[in-house]
Parts: sequence; structure tokens; C-alpha cells
Amino acid sequence: EDKVVQSPLSLVVHEGDTVTLNCSYEVTNFRSLLWYKQEKKAPTFLFMLTSSGIEKKSGRLSSILDKKELFSILNITATQTGDSAVYLCAVEDGNEKLTFGTGTRLTIIP
Amino acid sequence: DTAVSQTPKYLVTQMGNDKSIKCEQNLGHDTMYWYKQDSKKFLKIMFSYNNKELIINETVPNRFSPKSPDKAHLNLHINSLELGDSAVYFCASSPRGGWAGELFFGEGSRLTVL
Repeated sequence: EDKVVQSPLSLVVHEGDTVTLNCSYEVTNFRSLLWYKQEKKAPTFLFMLTSSGIEKKSGRLSSILDKKELFSILNITATQTGDSAVYLCAVEDGNEKLTFGTGTRLTIIP
Repeated sequence: DTAVSQTPKYLVTQMGNDKSIKCEQNLGHDTMYWYKQDSKKFLKIMFSYNNKELIINETVPNRFSPKSPDKAHLNLHINSLELGDSAVYFCASSPRGGWAGELFFGEGSRLTVL
């Protein structure tokens, strides 16, 4: 069965700090890895990664995938209180199924 | 305009009852999903439909029955509700034929079974 493990489970930092969230996975017939941000309600899409070593970037957020070591990281620089959320990592297998990790709860203190 | 909308947003009911949650998407996507998120925020897929055809049917009790009358709608009916069914149920849709890829989620339906 596909498996996604995220660490840390929770993280509390001060505004302006840089954080790194980790995601490791085991999946049969890997197709993609995705990051989502969940504030109060629906998860919202951040990145989809399919190739190793190619960084995806959106503003202060960036992510990279290592398909050899089976992990991905999500970096957030110069954190702001609006970054407080649960960050979910998911992997898609060859049957189009997404398996999610339990998420990292990030809290930014002003 | 809400892209993926679910109703109701909140549902409180007694054990043993039957309830339905409706989902509609106006994005023109071919694939729709139901996910269950438990109290620990763990999101687990239940079903997926591609153009009204059942694609993924995870190990879910047969008390849960999805129905897709057309590709813009995917409803979830739950019979004989149990305490363990309490969760947030998310509907989602995907723009990519053959890829789960980027999912667009509804706001969730919080089901509480007493």
C-alpha cells in the first residue's frame, strides 16, 4: 500500500523565519507528488512535482523532489502569519490515486 | 461562482439514519472524487469517477454509495450511519484526464453522528 510520511507533525516559528517541511513516500508506479495548503476549510493546491531536482517556486514558497531518495521538501522563506496552515503532501500512483500524508501543522507567531 | 460546491456544509444526525451529501462542479472537469478527513486531518480517498464511470473504489463499507448522474455531479449517500462515520467529507474534481494532478476541493461537509 502507498505510504506518505510527513515531518515534523507540527512546527511553531516566528514571523520572518524560514521553514522546511519534509515528505517521504513509498508508492507503486509513481506519477507525481503534490503539496497542498489547508487553512480552515478546503485544501488548496501549491505544487505538483514529477521530475527530480527541478525546483518549483511560487513567491516565498519552493519545493523540490528527489525520486532516488523518495522525498520532497517544501520551503517557506520570510514566513508570515498568513502561512499558518496544515501543509499536506500527496503522491499519485499509476492508478490515478492520491495518497495523502497526515500533514504538518505550521504556526507562525507574530 | 464557487468552483466545487457541496451541500450541506454541516450535518448532525443520529446513528442508524441515512443521509446524502451533494457535490457539483462548474469547472468542466471529467474526474470527481470523494475524500474523508478524520479528526487528525488525515485525508483518505473513498471514490473517484471519470465522466460518470467509477474508477477508484477504496475499501469503504458498502453503506457508502456514490452516484454520478452526470460528469458535473457526484453525490454520496450513506446508509445506517455509525459513530465512526463522523468526519469531514470533501468532494474534489480534477482537470486532467488520466491524472489526479491538481485537485480542486469543495469546502467540505462536516458530518457528526450522535
